[in-house]
This record gives sequence, C-alpha cells and structure tokens, in this order.
Amino acid sequence: DAGVIQSPRHEVTEMGQEVTLRCKPISGHNSLFWYRQTMMRGLELLIYFNNNVPIDDSGMPEDRFSAKMPNASFSTLKIQPSEPRDSAVYFCASSWEGGEAFFGQGTRLTVV
Amino acid sequence: GENVEQHPSTLSVQEGDSAVIKCTYSDSASNYFPWYKQELGKGPQLIIDIRSNVGEKKDQRIAVTLNKTAKHFSLHITETQPEDSAVYFCAARPGGSYIPTFGRGTSLIVHP
Repeated sequence: DAGVIQSPRHEVTEMGQEVTLRCKPISGHNSLFWYRQTMMRGLELLIYFNNNVPIDDSGMPEDRFSAKMPNASFSTLKIQPSEPRDSAVYFCASSWEGGEAFFGQGTRLTVV
Repeated sequence: GENVEQHPSTLSVQEGDSAVIKCTYSDSASNYFPWYKQELGKGPQLIIDIRSNVGEKKDQRIAVTLNKTAKHFSLHITETQPEDSAVYFCAARPGGSYIPTFGRGTSLIVHP
C-alpha cells in the first residue's frame, strides 16, 4: 500500500477563495482523522470519521470548514471562504479499529 | 477531555548522549500511549507505543516508560545519532475512544 495519500502537497490561495484538500486513506482502514498543525497550537484534531460517518467534529474551527467522506477511500476538507489565519499544514491520518494511526505527508496551505 | 502536556519543547544533545522527553496526561481512562517522530516536510510516524498494562517497553535504542499512578510517560533515546533529529510527539488515548490527543511536540537536535 502506498500509505495515506494527500493532495495537493502545497496550496497557495488568495483570501476569500475556496480551498479543497483531499485524502485517500489506507485501504481497509475504517477510521479517518483530519489534523491541523501550526507552531502556535501544535497538532489539532479537526474531525474524526468512523466507517465514513463523522463522529467528532468539535475541532472544526467554524462554519467555513466542512469535511466529507463519501466512501471508504476518499475524504475532503473544504475551507470557504479561506482566511490568512487558516494557513497551516493539514494532515490526514487513517487507522483500523483504533490501532496505529498512519499520517499522510500533509498539505501546506498558505492563504495570502 | 484528555489533556497532554509535553516537555521540553526543545532539546539539544551531543551525538552519543541520551535524550529524555516527558509527558503527562489528565484522563485516568487513557490506556494507549503512542510516540510519533516527525521529520522535516513529512507527516508524523509511529516509532513506539505502550499500553497501560505495561510499565516499560524497549526497541533497540528507544524505550518508553509509563507511570499510571502519576499519569506520566517518557521516551528515552540512547546513543543519539544526527538522524534522530526531528520533532517528537507523545499522545494519549482513552479506552473506548479511537482519538489520540497529542502533546505540543519536542524538537530534538543532535549535534555531530
């Protein structure tokens, strides 16, 4: 397996634009996590899916953020409209039944 | 919810020395404690983990210890090498939950 695959690796966008981050979890994993990493706040959990269902979205900053998991092999994190304070590295991770969480390479988002 | 404190935030050692990173957690129900290593430009990767029914676990040059009474756990790296330089994260996960809570990270620098 190629591991957790995230795209794009880097994204630069203007304030107010819509941004969509994509994640392909490891085949067979049933848990998927979206994290945001910044120097100020470290690794923050944004949302957790289990069997494609959002279980905990308490970390989603505000209504500008939304996440979907239409099937077991794909998830998106969308920011609309984007703001400069959303600049961070966004990680997707997947696991099987609470086992080891495998992280993707991350998407570095810069909002100017 | 769970709260994980990690110290120090930065650790600088000479090659060959030992390095110790310490974490405390708040939720007595936590029973799984993974440690992740994040190299520059990459996602975190699991290096070792420990469960609450074990007090210590070793894997070559790395070891973890767990004190459930005091709610703290530590990562020990012996005979450090320059390639050990990275950011290390501890995490704690309560029983019945698939969601780990991460510490803020420790930047380890090993000087040749």
